[in-house]
Amino acid sequence: EVVLTQSPEFQSVTPQEKVTITCRASQYIVGSLHWYQQKPDQPPKLLIKYASQSFSGVPSRFSGSGSGTHFTLTINGLEAEDAATYYCHQSSILPYTFGQGTKLEIK
Amino acid sequence: EVQLLESGGGLVQPGGSLRLSCAASGFSFSKFCMNWVRQAPGKGLEWVSSISESGSDTYYAESVKGRFIVSRENSENTLSLQMNSLRAEDTAIYYCAKVAVEVARGGVDYWGQGTLVTVS
Repeated sequence: EVVLTQSPEFQSVTPQEKVTITCRASQYIVGSLHWYQQKPDQPPKLLIKYASQSFSGVPSRFSGSGSGTHFTLTINGLEAEDAATYYCHQSSILPYTFGQGTKLEIK
Repeated sequence: EVQLLESGGGLVQPGGSLRLSCAASGFSFSKFCMNWVRQAPGKGLEWVSSISESGSDTYYAESVKGRFIVSRENSENTLSLQMNSLRAEDTAIYYCAKVAVEVARGGVDYWGQGTLVTVS
């Protein structure tokens, strides 16, 4: 199966800081990579689909890039409400898989 | 507005069975594949199953293959997950999720609130 490795697993950041989360796939997955945000006791929310397509209603400070095996989620100008765990997810090769998650803490 | 409402979770003994349902509304249900994704307490997300628009094609994670059966009833906008031979490691919140793009099998955009399954 495709293993998705996210880094970092945890990051403590200050508001307005720029944050970059990476997701590396163990196999080539073209651009079928999606990013989700999950807050405690809530279901995940889609931020970015197919590597770089912003989902409706998502703030413009969230952006995604990459293809093949290396992908990034960037948050430009972090806000306090962005404290959450972020997951990447591939839907190119069955079984579909998720990264282990990146927890963002706001200082 | 897309809405997904899961039901059917609860406490079940090891070896037992449970059937989850997901009522969908706000979109053309029969035009989209659907997924089930679960999350064990305090853990990450795990894809469980996908089903095609018509229900003719189904896919499963190795961890549930042969024990879980996904199905759908398009006339009622309902997705189901029949879970048999349940194990302690199946304890999780189970989410119903809509695939983002027509003709795609995975990559979900909307999620339900989830239903908790406890095997103990």
